[in-house]
Amino acid sequence: NAGVTQTPKFRILKIGQSMTLQCAQDMNHNYMYWYRQDPGMGLKLIYYSVGAGITDKGEVPNGYNVSRSTTEDFPLRLELAAPSQTSVYFCATTGTYSYEQYFGPGTRLTVT
Amino acid sequence: QQQVKQSPQSLIVQKGGISIINCAYENTAFDYFPWYQQFPGKGPALLIAIRPDVSEKKEGRFTISFNKSAKQFSLHIMDSQPGDSATYFCAASMLTGANNLFFGTGTRLTVIP
Repeated sequence: NAGVTQTPKFRILKIGQSMTLQCAQDMNHNYMYWYRQDPGMGLKLIYYSVGAGITDKGEVPNGYNVSRSTTEDFPLRLELAAPSQTSVYFCATTGTYSYEQYFGPGTRLTVT
Repeated sequence: QQQVKQSPQSLIVQKGGISIINCAYENTAFDYFPWYQQFPGKGPALLIAIRPDVSEKKEGRFTISFNKSAKQFSLHIMDSQPGDSATYFCAASMLTGANNLFFGTGTRLTVIP
């Protein structure tokens, strides 16, 4: 039981490049979330999903896209990377009748 | 706009001392207040949480105090240990819906031996 896995762990992108951050969970949870963490700012919600095929915007969705075709996977897409997207990205999940969110180990992304 | 305000930004405590971190919120619709602990290079992990129908919750050395009228809550770590050195985040959410968490800005706690 791996919980929540994220790949890659680290990535350096050039401005204007695109990439997909992968998130997978084996907890059979319906709810999944993407957060970004910036120094001194805490974690901000980018997008979330309450089940396969259903996604919605969080606090800071601009510049990102998501999809949820299966319960297990919730990829985050950056189409045109900008320096402002340099951050640590965390994926999290929770069950329908649970309050606790379980976080993955994070992806550290640098855009130069 | 920061929905949950957290202080202090950093805290240094002697081993055996009490660590206190404070948070405040404005949205009275929040009904779930967790604290997350994060070690360097790791994702946050739930430490303890409280609902607004109680004023205090204790789990081992960790206690949440909740003041609904003041819209404030705090984390107390008794007998602080070097292993407690981490970043602590308070958060708030509305359990109806998707339980989206609004995080404070974090407190870096250092417990010195």
